[in-house]
Amino acid sequence: DTEVTQTPKHLVMGMTNKKSLKCEQHMGHRAMYWYKQKAKKPPELMFVYSYEKLSINESVPSRFSPECPNSSLLNLHLHALQPEDSALYLCASSPREYQETQYFGPGTRLLVL
Amino acid sequence: AQSVTQLDSQVPVFEEAPVELRCNYSSSVSVYLFWYVQYPNQGLQLLLKYLSGSTLVKGINGFEAEFNKSQTSFHLRKPSVHISDTAEYFCAVTSISGNTGKLIFGQGTTLQVKP
Repeated sequence: DTEVTQTPKHLVMGMTNKKSLKCEQHMGHRAMYWYKQKAKKPPELMFVYSYEKLSINESVPSRFSPECPNSSLLNLHLHALQPEDSALYLCASSPREYQETQYFGPGTRLLVL
Repeated sequence: AQSVTQLDSQVPVFEEAPVELRCNYSSSVSVYLFWYVQYPNQGLQLLLKYLSGSTLVKGINGFEAEFNKSQTSFHLRKPSVHISDTAEYFCAVTSISGNTGKLIFGQGTTLQVKP
């Protein structure tokens, strides 16, 4: 089973709201990733967690706050977002961080009003 | 550093015709190569990957790709496409010897299968 699940599927939020995206995998993978994808563009890496520790932060604004409570779960906390943050947010996981195949979830479609 | 170039942004093709989606990469180190497919309003699904061994790789849904090290290419092919193959296709690479988990994507190719 190579399934990564993400909730919610869709999210609409105002610029003053606080919301969270959730990602889960039960494949025993120890690396998890957040990507942002705009329409007709490839995914852009935001964060990488390896063994529940933040490994890479691609200079993402602090209004995005990742959290990895355990090896199966990855959250992305959102606060004071801007309309330009509207995008598809994809989660991925891989057995380990380096030289491994990444498996993607279905994504959360976020609209910031 | 690595980079990936997908040579066609859009490929229109009629149903049951063959198709080739082209991907070239640039890297100073050896890489692993991947093709992902993204159907409308969905996430990315792994189509196939080249890690080592035979340069002809078979994937899901009847797709295959050939790794050509001298040409630094990894073109995706299917002998007969279906309407359901309409989607965005991304070629990606990651370094074999690097110390980063970064996956470098091409800009994507939109495959439009017409009846």
